[in-house]
Parts: sequence; C-alpha cells; structure tokens
Amino acid sequence: NAGVTQTPKFQVLKTGQSMTLQCAQDMNHEYMSWYRQDPGMGLRLIHYSVGAGITDQGEVPNGYNVSRSTTEDFPLRLLSAAPSQTSVYFCASSYRDEQFFGPGTRLTVL
Amino acid sequence: AQKVTQAQTEISVVEKEDVTLDCVYETRDTTYYLFWYKQPPSGELVFLIRRNSFDEQNEISGRYSWNFQKSTSSFNFTITASQVVDSAVYFCALSEAHDMRFGAGTRLTVKP
Repeated sequence: NAGVTQTPKFQVLKTGQSMTLQCAQDMNHEYMSWYRQDPGMGLRLIHYSVGAGITDQGEVPNGYNVSRSTTEDFPLRLLSAAPSQTSVYFCASSYRDEQFFGPGTRLTVL
Repeated sequence: AQKVTQAQTEISVVEKEDVTLDCVYETRDTTYYLFWYKQPPSGELVFLIRRNSFDEQNEISGRYSWNFQKSTSSFNFTITASQVVDSAVYFCALSEAHDMRFGAGTRLTVKP
C-alpha cells in the first residue's frame, strides 16, 4: 500500500493564481482531511470529508475549496492564492480516529 | 471548541537524560481521543500513540511512556534515556468526532 500520497511536494505561486493540491489514499478510508502547518501554530484543520460526496469546513476553511467524488481522492483547491496561504499542507485519511498523514506539500505564494 | 496547549515551546537536554513533554487539553465532550505525533527534521508526521477518553491506563513503549490524567486534563509524554535521534518537534492532538486539534508543538533537541 502506498498509504496517503500528495502531489506536488513543492509549489510556488504568484498572488491570484489558482491551483489544486492532490491527495490520494489506497486504504479505503472513508474519512479524509486537509491541514495547514504554520510556524509556531501546529496543524490546523482546513476541510474534511466523511465519505464520497460529503465535505465540511474545519477550523480555517476560507480561501480553500474541496470536493470528494471518490473514496480515494480528496483534492484541495486554491482559487486565488494569497501570500497568507504560504504554508505546508498535509492531507490525512483516518480509520477509527487514527490519522495517516501524507508527506506534505510546501506551498509558497509570492 | 476543543483546545490543546503545549506550554513548552522548546526543550534541550543532553543525551541519556529523561524528558517530559507536557500536554493539557480542553473539551466538553466525554468521548474523545488524544494523540502524540513526532515530526522529525525531514518533515513527515509519525504517529506515536492514541488513547481514548475512557482508558486512563498509562502506557509504556520502549523508552516512551504516556501519563493520561483526566482529573487534570493532561496527557504527558516522557522519553527515558533520550537519544539524539529523538530530536524532533512533538505534537499533542485531541480529536472529537473527526475534528482534530493540534497543540503548537514542542521542539526537543537532544545533544550528544
């Protein structure tokens, strides 16, 4: 099993550009989530999904969109990137409240 | 909303010393899970332990041990005989029905 995979590993955007961070898992977990990690603040939940077709907002959802068309994939979209979205993004899937994290995407918005 | 506080921002010890990382949480739910994760310099998040709110038994795994006390809302983590490879940022986290909140993390440096 590959576990949770994320692409790309690194990305640089200009303010106002859009992009999608990809996340996939092969463990057939119903629950998936996106976090951002900023220095000194730990990880904060952006959006989560409890199954295909169901998504909900987390602690810091503004500026991000998600969709869940399949159990395996949970992409995170930035429609108009802002410098405040410079961060490391982690995707996770979970089973019985144990989270399995992807390797992260380091995003810089100039 | 739930909250996790890791008051120790940075800790530095010399190899073979014991070190305890503190974690205090706030929640109104009676059912919740507590976690510890390790983030080494390479950046990935490594799962260490999960405890549910109904199990207050302390746990030991090799040099690692965890002390869960509901009376003080604490879930502290002790590393015995620390090693240089233990150097990392350690996160405590609280999960209620899939809403997971992390503490700000404690950066542990173990010097040889």
